[in-house]
Amino acid sequence: KQEVTQIPAALSVPEGENLVLNCSFTDSAIYNLQWFRQDPGKGLTSLLLIQSSQREQTSGRLNASLDKSSGRSTLYIAASQPGDSATYLCALNNAGNMLTFGGGTRLMVKP
Amino acid sequence: DGGITQSPKYLFRKEGQNVTLSCEQNLNHDAMYWYRQDPGQGLRLIYYSQIVNDFQKGDIAEGYSVSREKKESFPLTVTSAQKNPTAFYLCASSMGGGTNIQYFGAGTRLSVL
Repeated sequence: KQEVTQIPAALSVPEGENLVLNCSFTDSAIYNLQWFRQDPGKGLTSLLLIQSSQREQTSGRLNASLDKSSGRSTLYIAASQPGDSATYLCALNNAGNMLTFGGGTRLMVKP
Repeated sequence: DGGITQSPKYLFRKEGQNVTLSCEQNLNHDAMYWYRQDPGQGLRLIYYSQIVNDFQKGDIAEGYSVSREKKESFPLTVTSAQKNPTAFYLCASSMGGGTNIQYFGAGTRLSVL
């Protein structure tokens, strides 16, 4: 059974810092991996999707990488802004589009 | 305005009562999903449906029921058998198949009176 872990659980940084969020998983037989953003009390917004055959995806200041052999993905946020404050969730798609989620990293970017 | 609509935003359940959460999508997606999120935790899959009139249990289906009579609708009933229903419930949809992005609604927060 797939297990997904996100470290750290919470992170506080000053505005302008570059930062890395980590996601590790136990089963490398995946179709894809997604990174989501969740604002307090809201639904999820998909940020990046990396297919199994890809190594990374980029969108603006966000870059996500995937290393199946080590069971790891990272989300890199460049030049962080207060508006980036949210919870970031990674989710693995093993089969049939069923997602297994990590517990999330709660990010606070201070002005 | 395309998307997924969940209602109500807040819901309160009395002891022994069944309550139904609504999820409607106008994205013409085949697949729909229900997740539960507890404070500070990730999402866990309750039920999913890949096609109309068909659905399967997820990891935590006990105490819940669903129906999929129409492509655009996938209501979730929290029954009295669910002893700890307080949580944030999220509905999602996707085009189906193995590699498609899931799109999420804004969620329903259920509390017990």
